[in-house]
Amino acid sequence: QKEVEQNSGPLSVPEGAIASLNCTYSDRVSQSFFWYRQYSGKSPELIMSIYSNGDKEDGRFTAQLNKASQYVSLLIRDSQPSDSATYLCAVSNNAGKSTFGDGTTLTVKP
Amino acid sequence: DTEVTQTPKHLVMGMTNKKSLKCEQHMGHRAMYWYKQKAKKPPELMFVYSYEKLSINESVPSRFSPECPNSSLLNLHLHALQPEDSALYLCASSQDWGGGGYTFGSGTRLTVV
Repeated sequence: QKEVEQNSGPLSVPEGAIASLNCTYSDRVSQSFFWYRQYSGKSPELIMSIYSNGDKEDGRFTAQLNKASQYVSLLIRDSQPSDSATYLCAVSNNAGKSTFGDGTTLTVKP
Repeated sequence: DTEVTQTPKHLVMGMTNKKSLKCEQHMGHRAMYWYKQKAKKPPELMFVYSYEKLSINESVPSRFSPECPNSSLLNLHLHALQPEDSALYLCASSQDWGGGGYTFGSGTRLTVV
């Protein structure tokens, strides 16, 4: 079992729809959870961080964390073509090491 | 503009060459990282420096040698690389080791010929 697993892509949604990206992790003592966006040929960019159970909203992005289910998700509302990218889930343990999932490639079609 | 600056952006080197990758941040972050990323794969951790001390070495071959001259600078010295070492090398920093998400540099795309 991989330490961090993301739903296999690619994911395609029409413009204006909600894109839902999911991530599960195996280490129960994980403390910090991050979502990065990576455009093709570019470096990852941190877009959301979440540390406690529940929802965290930032503009069109909402991160959801459920530690009991070892599950973290990212919702993108009103998806735009500019949201087309690979989204990486990263989980940090109490030793400070971040492990990345394989990523989910999102395409938003106009 | 990224707050973590990496140079060079592109590098082609032969298997007998010695080269260095450089990374600089001015955000006052105390942890700095080197990651390697192959195409369509996630970043793989190579080294972690916390307060200028090497904290993690993920069993990286000795042909990769990290150096942290001060809290703002991180180097990766390369020697006798193999073609399979061709990848995007990413530098990142964070407030503290284990504290917060990373700010990545734009990366160095390395090709070993």
